[in-house]
Amino acid sequence: VHLLQSGAEVKRPGASVKLSCQASGYTLSSHSLSWVRQAPGQVFEWLGGISVYNGKTTYGPKFQGRVTVTTDTPRTTVYLEVSNLTPDDTAVYYCGRDSDAPLDVWGPGTLVTVS
Amino acid sequence: QSALTQPASVSGSPGQSVTISCTGTSSDVGGYNYVSWYQQYPGKAPKLIIYDVTKWPSGVSTRFSGSKSGNTASLRISGLQDEDEADYYCCSYVDTNTLLFGGGTKVTVL
Repeated sequence: VHLLQSGAEVKRPGASVKLSCQASGYTLSSHSLSWVRQAPGQVFEWLGGISVYNGKTTYGPKFQGRVTVTTDTPRTTVYLEVSNLTPDDTAVYYCGRDSDAPLDVWGPGTLVTVS
Repeated sequence: QSALTQPASVSGSPGQSVTISCTGTSSDVGGYNYVSWYQQYPGKAPKLIIYDVTKWPSGVSTRFSGSKSGNTASLRISGLQDEDEADYYCCSYVDTNTLLFGGGTKVTVL
């Protein structure tokens, strides 16, 4: 079971970024999925999650309104969009599967640099 | 939401045991039996090692064990091995239907 994430991104302040996450070895729609980020030297932050089966989303209070988690129609890919980027959004962004345990499988991470 | 509180570092000699604490509030750690622990090597994605305070995911060594008392959860590593040198993070479900992480603890094997 693996999660596959899109490649590194470099963005200007004020721009948006859209990251993707796909599953290998299991059906993505059978579990929920979370997005977590780790800025250099900072704490992990949970951005939000989605029930891939029905599209229901939940967001961390700090990110509500600036972060959007979606899935495509075949429910094979989950996306994270972060808008109005600032240098403080520079971080490695991970997707993680939520099954019996939260984040029981993690993707390799995507580095987003805002500069 | 403030991060859960973990010690910055702990250390021990091979074969010894170390314990990492994770302190929160009644809105997170103290309110739910949904504390998980993750191990992370530099430059790598984290790996789940304990969930629901005391449960092991398949394939994880039982040298790792979890517990909770009040608003503080703990991770114990028994029979410390060189490969246990890594960063460890606790994570708790929060009453806002979100997840909250600890600041991380670096474990050093002397």
